[in-house]
Amino acid sequence: EVQLVESGGGLIQPGGSLRLSCAASGFTVESNYMSWARQAPGKGLEWVSVIYSGGGTYYADSVKGRFTISRDNSKSTLYLQMNSLRVEDTAVYYCARDNSGPSQWGQGTLVTVS
Amino acid sequence: DIQMTQSPSSLSASVGDSVTLTCRASQGIGNDLGWYQQKPGKAPKRLIYAASSLQSGVPSRFSGSGSGTEFTLTISSLQPEDFATYYCLQHNSYPLSFGGGTKVEIK
Repeated sequence: EVQLVESGGGLIQPGGSLRLSCAASGFTVESNYMSWARQAPGKGLEWVSVIYSGGGTYYADSVKGRFTISRDNSKSTLYLQMNSLRVEDTAVYYCARDNSGPSQWGQGTLVTVS
Repeated sequence: DIQMTQSPSSLSASVGDSVTLTCRASQGIGNDLGWYQQKPGKAPKRLIYAASSLQSGVPSRFSGSGSGTEFTLTISSLQPEDFATYYCLQHNSYPLSFGGGTKVEIK
């Protein structure tokens, strides 16, 4: 069974850094495209970043230069390093496995920048 | 970047009604579109992929259609558990983009 479990969220001051983790099971992270998306309180969904199976990455303009997506294949874990955090980065962050688009999602982790 | 526009932003309907939600892309995306259901406090759940393919385990009252720039999600015979917010997502090109969502409420 595919399972994704995010962790690492919390309260952080503007300008600070945080690293989110997404532990995957039931499939091989390195063989899949993996995405991060987020949802600000009371708002819609926003796609954030992807890491391709080949290791390439892509970012939304809103986080480019501040966030870095990576993975540790040995731990079957996806990461999102978030630097220079802003109040507007406050959101629930979800990781997702991509299969013709994000198909399976974790439960999310809340990041509050205040 | 591709913009996705959903309409309506909300609707009220009764159990047993049939409803149709619309999603429009700012440029052609073939059939690279998914529909997601989200309930409060929960992660999104994909219902439809490739514009019209039903995700495994999703009830057959959900159906999707369209290609290019115009897409629809139809829920036939609304059930109490279907009251939620629905999002479309294009995965034709990066950055991926969601529509703004349609909230389906109980009348």
